[in-house]
Amino acid sequence: EMQLVESGGGLVQPGRSLRLSCTASGFTFGDFAMSWVRQAPGKGLEWVGFIKSEAYGGTTEYAASVKGRFSISRDDSKSIVYLQMSSLKIDDTALYYCHREPSIWGLGTMVTVSS
Amino acid sequence: DIVMTQTPLSLSVTPGQPASISCKSSQSLLHSDGKTYLYWYLQKPGQSPQLLIYEVSRRFSGAPDRFSGSGSETDFTLEISRVEAEDVGFYYCMQGIRLPRTFGPGTRVDIK
Repeated sequence: EMQLVESGGGLVQPGRSLRLSCTASGFTFGDFAMSWVRQAPGKGLEWVGFIKSEAYGGTTEYAASVKGRFSISRDDSKSIVYLQMSSLKIDDTALYYCHREPSIWGLGTMVTVSS
Repeated sequence: DIVMTQTPLSLSVTPGQPASISCKSSQSLLHSDGKTYLYWYLQKPGQSPQLLIYEVSRRFSGAPDRFSGSGSETDFTLEISRVEAEDVGFYYCMQGIRLPRTFGPGTRVDIK
């Protein structure tokens, strides 16, 4: 069964950093681009960023709202994609989903930014 | 960025009746490879989104056949032939042709 499991969420103060992980299983992780999508409480889905497979250069792209603060990386040997978040803002409070387009989603990990 | 809009934003449906949601994109989602990268997702209460329809009209494995998608270029529709109680939740369209990916605002569907 193809699966994504996020971890690393929690309560963090504004301005601090946090790293989320997404562990994949059930498919050849290195063959696929991976995305992060977030959902603020009571709000819709917001795309955060994307990392291509190494075959396509492993390049990344980000939403304007997080560009320069968030960074996505991957470790294909461990089937993990990371979301490094820095200079966190209260507006970054959300459930963060890992997503392999178009069909595989994790359950999400909650990030709460609050003093 | 491609802007995705959905109408209506809320829908209350009697079980057994049909329902329809419109999604419009600010740019054509038709790729040079001939495919149109428009997806429909359902997010049931307390759950992660689940794929219903990909490439406008292809029903994903496990999606009930009462769900169908249609449209082209910039105008798309998701139809539910006979709404069931388990169909409640938020429906989102998403474009997959260009980065950044963008979602519609979501359509809330509930049962009368």
